[in-house]
Amino acid sequence: GAVVSQHPSRVICKSGTSVKIECRSLDFQATTMFWYRQFPKQSLMLMATSNEGSKATYEQGVEKDKFLINHASLTLSTLTVTSAHPEDSSFYICSAIASAGRNTEAFFGQGTRLTVV
Amino acid sequence: AQSVAQPEDQVNVAEGNPLTVKCTYSVSGNPYLFWYVQYPNRGLQFLLKYITGDNLVKGSYGFEAEFNKSQTSFHLKKPSALVSDSALYFCAVRDIGGYQKVTFGTGTKLQVIP
Repeated sequence: GAVVSQHPSRVICKSGTSVKIECRSLDFQATTMFWYRQFPKQSLMLMATSNEGSKATYEQGVEKDKFLINHASLTLSTLTVTSAHPEDSSFYICSAIASAGRNTEAFFGQGTRLTVV
Repeated sequence: AQSVAQPEDQVNVAEGNPLTVKCTYSVSGNPYLFWYVQYPNRGLQFLLKYITGDNLVKGSYGFEAEFNKSQTSFHLKKPSALVSDSALYFCAVRDIGGYQKVTFGTGTKLQVIP
């Protein structure tokens, strides 16, 4: 299957700083990428949908000024957690859908464990 | 709005026995259904999907799922469980229009007992 690479896999940052997470589709072009947040022992909660070259669409309750999403190319989307606080600590996962074929499955990155201290 | 329900938080099965992980869905049109598996601190791995065609879908690692339109179910099955199958399993439904958003169930932890 297609490969989605997410970096870093783990990050620890101080409260008040910003953290950037990258999501890359390595062997396909992704017009649409999704960012999820997963709390321990819970399902994935969609944060936002990112389309190349346009503004991300955020789910209700997600602060767009706090979770900045950029999808500058067909292979790269970034999530920046600004002014991070301990409550932002979580597991963040991106996924991507290939631009060709609307019935293809979504491919997922390996996730980023963010810990804010 | 689309939704997915996984009624069991955890399923325990002895190694070598058949396993079933349940999933029901709700969509306004034809469903695109998926199963994913997640190992600790990892992203999701695709197992199988139903788009159209045969109701019995075969996927990775010997898993299969049966689409039942009348019962709006898409249960995941495997004839003989392995200890290495122990993981968290997510059922998902995808919106076929718009941004093709994927909605996940709450997940079912599968524990295969040696």
